[in-house]
Amino acid sequence: GPKVLQIPSHQIIDMGQMVTLNCDPVSNHLYFYWYKQILGQQMEFLVNFYNGKVMEKSKLFKDQFSVERPDGSYFTLKIQPTALEDSAVYFCASSFHWRAEQFFGPGTRLTVL
Amino acid sequence: AQSVTQPDARVTVSEGASLQLRCKYSYSATPYLFWYVQYPRQGLQMLLKYYSGDPVVQGVNGFEAEFSKSDSSFHLRKASVHWSDSAVYFCAVSADNNRIFFGDGTQLVVKP
Repeated sequence: GPKVLQIPSHQIIDMGQMVTLNCDPVSNHLYFYWYKQILGQQMEFLVNFYNGKVMEKSKLFKDQFSVERPDGSYFTLKIQPTALEDSAVYFCASSFHWRAEQFFGPGTRLTVL
Repeated sequence: AQSVTQPDARVTVSEGASLQLRCKYSYSATPYLFWYVQYPRQGLQMLLKYYSGDPVVQGVNGFEAEFSKSDSSFHLRKASVHWSDSAVYFCAVSADNNRIFFGDGTQLVVKP
């Protein structure tokens, strides 16, 4: 079936640095999402994105977070600067329609030291 | 507020036995309900979904789930499990704003 790719699979950085997580969504999908899962906790919605704009974001989507998809390339999540509490697995998802099935990537494990 | 509860963190069954994974949801409007499975080092894969209509929905690999409005439940079932079904299973509800709310997941262990 359709696959969402995420690069890298694991990223380790020092607190205060910037990090960019990359997502290659399903090619004809129009809606994009990021979810965050802290170890041992539920996966939680961060943000959804359509037509170049953030449509909705949760309280977890701090001011240090930003998303973009320049020219139909990767859908990225940037964190600048990072904090210890940003350590988590970040899952990207995409869907063709609003409220259609979301296809998930395998996640990027971010470790902030 | 939307929420999903999966009361069993881990379920162990023998191969060939039947399976039920429990899920309770909280959502004021008509829910969109999902079951996802996650194998090690892979993304979530959707097993089945319920939007409306027949409360029993069929999914892939012999899985089915039954929506109960009165009980606010969406339990996942399989008549006969295989060792390859060992994975983490997530129940989820989608809100009007297209957010998906996930349960904590249930680790399924199938013994040979």
